[in-house]
Order: sequence, then C-alpha cells, then structure tokens
Amino acid sequence: EPEVTQTPSHQVTQMGQEVILRCVPISNHLYFYWYRQILGQKVEFLVSFYNNEISEKSEIFDDQFSVERPDGSNFTLKIRSTKLEDSAMYFCASGLGEGGADTQYFGPGTRLTVL
Amino acid sequence: EDQVTQSPEALRLQEGESSSLNCSYTVSGLRGLFWYRQDPGKGPEFLFTLYSAGEEKEKERLKATLTKKESFLHITAPKPEDSATYLCAVLQDGSEKLVFGKGTKLTVNP
Repeated sequence: EPEVTQTPSHQVTQMGQEVILRCVPISNHLYFYWYRQILGQKVEFLVSFYNNEISEKSEIFDDQFSVERPDGSNFTLKIRSTKLEDSAMYFCASGLGEGGADTQYFGPGTRLTVL
Repeated sequence: EDQVTQSPEALRLQEGESSSLNCSYTVSGLRGLFWYRQDPGKGPEFLFTLYSAGEEKEKERLKATLTKKESFLHITAPKPEDSATYLCAVLQDGSEKLVFGKGTKLTVNP
C-alpha cells in the first residue's frame, strides 16, 4: 500500500541554524501539506501546496518557513533560522486532489529538536 | 475558540467493554469530517471520512457517525491493540486545512 515517507525521523539542531525536512508524498497525489504537533498539543496546519505554489498557509508559516517541490517526487519544508519554539513533530501529508473533501494521508513525521 | 472539541480527553476500558468517543464541531460549511488514529510518536493514520449528516462508516470494531453538530466513534468489544489517541478533524468550505481536535486517548486493558 502506498504511503507518505519522511526523512529524517529525528533532527537535532542548534538555535539559529537552517533545517530542511524532506517528504516523499504518495506518487499520484497532487496536493501536499505540512502540519506540526508540539508535544502534548493539537496537530496544527502550516501550509498546503498545489500546482507548484502555496495554496493556503497559516499564521505560523511566516517568512522563516518555505516549501519546495524540487523534483517530481520530493516535497521539502525549510526553516531558515530555527527557534526553540520550533521544536515539534512535523508531518507531511498528501491528497489525491479529487475535489470536495479530499482525504489527507500523513507520513510518520520528523521530530525536530532545537537546542 | 475551539472549532473542534473532543471528549472525553482520556478513556480507560476493559477489553470487550464497548463505548463511544465524541467530536463536536462549530464550523459552518462542513466539507468533511475525518477520524484518524495516532500511536505515540507516529503520524495520524486515516480511519474514516464522513461528508453529510446521517452518514455512517464501519471498519472492524469501529463505527463512525455524523450529525449536523457532532460525530461519534463507536468502539465495539475493543481489544488492547485499539489503544491509541483518536483524532477528529474537519475541513470547511473555502479552506484546504484540516482543523484538529485535541484527541481522545483510549486505553484498553486486557
């Protein structure tokens, strides 16, 4: 069964450093998403991406964040200058893009720890 | 103000003891309501999508129902492997983002 994959599973970085989180969405999906979950809190939406551009973003997704689909299979989230409060699980998700209420399938997550 | 509220926050059951989890929502223009299961340190695993009031979906020991204000996830004769956090999320008109509740942590004791 196709699934979303994410690398690395755990990333430790120093405050102020740049990190890139990588995702391989399900191959025939057209919509891509990033969410995050701070320990003990809700899953929160960051950004959605369709047709090589951002289709929606949350207030959390400020200028420190960017997304890219560098080739036909990868989808990345970059945080330019990490802060302590960026420590969280980051989940990539993808959807087929059937219209209506499309199901989003989540990857296993990357645990980001900012020291 | 929370748009998605789940109750209870935590639920302990004995194996075989059936129960229900609740998800109430206040969004207008609901496009879909989703149930996910999340194991510790893992990503949400898709269970069900419900689109309109009166709809029901079943999978093994789980059944999800939807009204105009809330959804229930019924668990029949649960087993210890059903222990997880169950997340409810909604998608509303004009948005691509899933809005999640805080989840219900279910523990099934053998």
